[in-house]
Amino acid sequence: EVQLVESGGGLVQPGESLGLSCAASGFTFSNYWMNWVRQAPGKGLEWVANINHDGSEEQYVDSVKGRFTISRDNAKNSLYLQMNSLRAEDTAVYYCARDQLSSGNFAYWGQGTLVTVSS
Amino acid sequence: DIQMTQSPSSLSASVGDRVTITCRASQGVNSWLAWYQQKPEKAPKSLIYAASTLQSGVPSRFSGSGSGTDFTLTISSLQPEDFATYYCQQYNSYPLTFGGGTKVEIK
Repeated sequence: EVQLVESGGGLVQPGESLGLSCAASGFTFSNYWMNWVRQAPGKGLEWVANINHDGSEEQYVDSVKGRFTISRDNAKNSLYLQMNSLRAEDTAVYYCARDQLSSGNFAYWGQGTLVTVSS
Repeated sequence: DIQMTQSPSSLSASVGDRVTITCRASQGVNSWLAWYQQKPEKAPKSLIYAASTLQSGVPSRFSGSGSGTDFTLTISSLQPEDFATYYCQQYNSYPLTFGGGTKVEIK
């Protein structure tokens, strides 16, 4: 069974940093692109970033470019999101999501972790 | 960026009804279109990818159609567990983008 478990969310002040993790199991992690998708309270879904199988290629939505960094450790079956210079508008539930197969759609999702940016 | 527009934004329906949700892309996305279901306080769940391919384990009452810019999600006979919000998503080009969602409520 595919499982994705996010951790690391919490309350931070504007301008601070936070790192999220996603532990994957139930599939061969190194075979799949991985993604972060977020959802602000009461709002819709927004794709944030993705990374290819070996970590050599990354893509980001414009609003987080230069502030967020996605990475992975295939030996640990883990995905990460380092978030710097956080803003109030980054407040959201952050989901880890696995690609279907190098496609760009999201076959499996974690339960999410809440990040709140507020003073 | 490709804008995805869903209609309606919400609808009320009864158990057993046939429900159709539309998704329109601001430019062509071929068949690189997915649909997701999200229940309150839960993570989204994949229903359909490649416009019409049912994800494993998804009931056959769900179907998808379309290509290019216009797509449809149909629930042939609405069940109590189908009351949720549905999102379309294009994966033809970056940034990957979602529609605004369609909330299906009980009439």
